[in-house]
Amino acid sequence: AQRVTQPEKLLSVFKGAPVELKCNYSYSGSPELFWYVQYSRQRLQLLLRHISRESIKGFTADLNKGETSFHLKKPFAQEEDSAMYYCALSAPYNTDKLIFGTGTRLQVFP
Amino acid sequence: KAGVTQTPRYLIKTRGQQVTLSCSPISGHRSVSWYQQTPGQGLQFLFEYFSETQRNKGNFPGRFSGRQFSNSRSEMNVSTLELGDSALYLCASSLDDSNGYTFGSGTRLTVV
Repeated sequence: AQRVTQPEKLLSVFKGAPVELKCNYSYSGSPELFWYVQYSRQRLQLLLRHISRESIKGFTADLNKGETSFHLKKPFAQEEDSAMYYCALSAPYNTDKLIFGTGTRLQVFP
Repeated sequence: KAGVTQTPRYLIKTRGQQVTLSCSPISGHRSVSWYQQTPGQGLQFLFEYFSETQRNKGNFPGRFSGRQFSNSRSEMNVSTLELGDSALYLCASSLDDSNGYTFGSGTRLTVV
């Protein structure tokens, strides 16, 4: 079955420290992977999608098919990065449109 | 351009009642998906509509249903409400799968 695992519920770092939010998935084919972010009192919004290979707000994520991972990274965390981050998978012929992980709360301390 | 609009923002219902939630997608988006978000289960897919047809359905009981109109607006209905249906219901629209989904602010349903 398709699944997205985010092993950390909470990740706390100090401003300026590197950040890596882990995401592993299980899917036998070629999924599309996304990172969504939800800032306090705001709606869930798309941060990154793997096919675009872009960097948004300093965040990058590389799809590693061998390790079935799609970790989100940022070299220098900022206080405004504090939010809930969700990794999500979309796969062809998948009856669940988007499968979300349980989310990781990132806290960046000053 | 206007984002995804969900109404109402908050709703309180009693057990056994039914409820209808509404979602207006971004103009031009024909795919509308619904998700249930709870602290215990996280974000779970309910169903997806495309051009007025249900294209995908998640693992929810038949009490949960939806529809999409010709203008792409969508409604979801929950009948015979149970306490466990209390959740934030999110709607998302998409132009196509590869562009990701734009979410609305959600409707917070409380069943008492």
